[in-house]
Amino acid sequence: DIQMTQSPSSVSASVGDRVTITCRASQGIGTWLAWYQQKPGKAPKLLIYSASRLQSGVPSRFSGSGSGTDFILTISSLQSEDFATYYCQQGDSFPPWTFGQGTKVEI
Amino acid sequence: QVHLVESGGGVVQPGRSLRLSCEASGFSFSNYAMHWVRQAPGKGLEWVAFISTDGNNKKYVDSARGRFTISRDNSKNTVYLHLNSLTSEDTAVYYCAKDRFPHTDYNAVFEHWGQGTLVTVSS
Repeated sequence: DIQMTQSPSSVSASVGDRVTITCRASQGIGTWLAWYQQKPGKAPKLLIYSASRLQSGVPSRFSGSGSGTDFILTISSLQSEDFATYYCQQGDSFPPWTFGQGTKVEI
Repeated sequence: QVHLVESGGGVVQPGRSLRLSCEASGFSFSNYAMHWVRQAPGKGLEWVAFISTDGNNKKYVDSARGRFTISRDNSKNTVYLHLNSLTSEDTAVYYCAKDRFPHTDYNAVFEHWGQGTLVTVSS
């Protein structure tokens, strides 16, 4: 199985900050990497797919990059509604499709 | 507008069974693979099961294989997850999710999610 490792596990930030979250796959997955945002008590929401493609309706302050084993999610200017937990997910190997352990973005 | 509504969760004793349902609307259901993803209390996300558009291809996470069965009824726009031989380790919110790309059997991007249904396994 492909293991996904996110860092950091949590990050303290303020409104307006630039935040980066990294995700590393245990083997190459091309660009089959997605990012999700989850708020407490809610379902996850797709932000980025194919490593860098912004899902429709997602603000442009979110961006993704990377390929192979190393990926980055960037929030260019953190807004109050962005405080949440973020997960990466590999969609390459068939299957199991696996998630990172999550990164909590908090004040 | 895509809408996924899960139902069927509840409290069940260890060793018993449960059937979850997910009714879909707002898209051409028969063109998309569907998944179940779960989240134990306070924990991360775990993909559980996949079913292809025609229902002929099914895959499971190791912990579910042999105990869980995914199925779908394209005439009812509904996907199911039968949970058997439940243990406390299966306690979680179960989400159904629609794949982003049509007719995809070998990759997964979870584009739309339902609100989830809570399964609690307890004596």
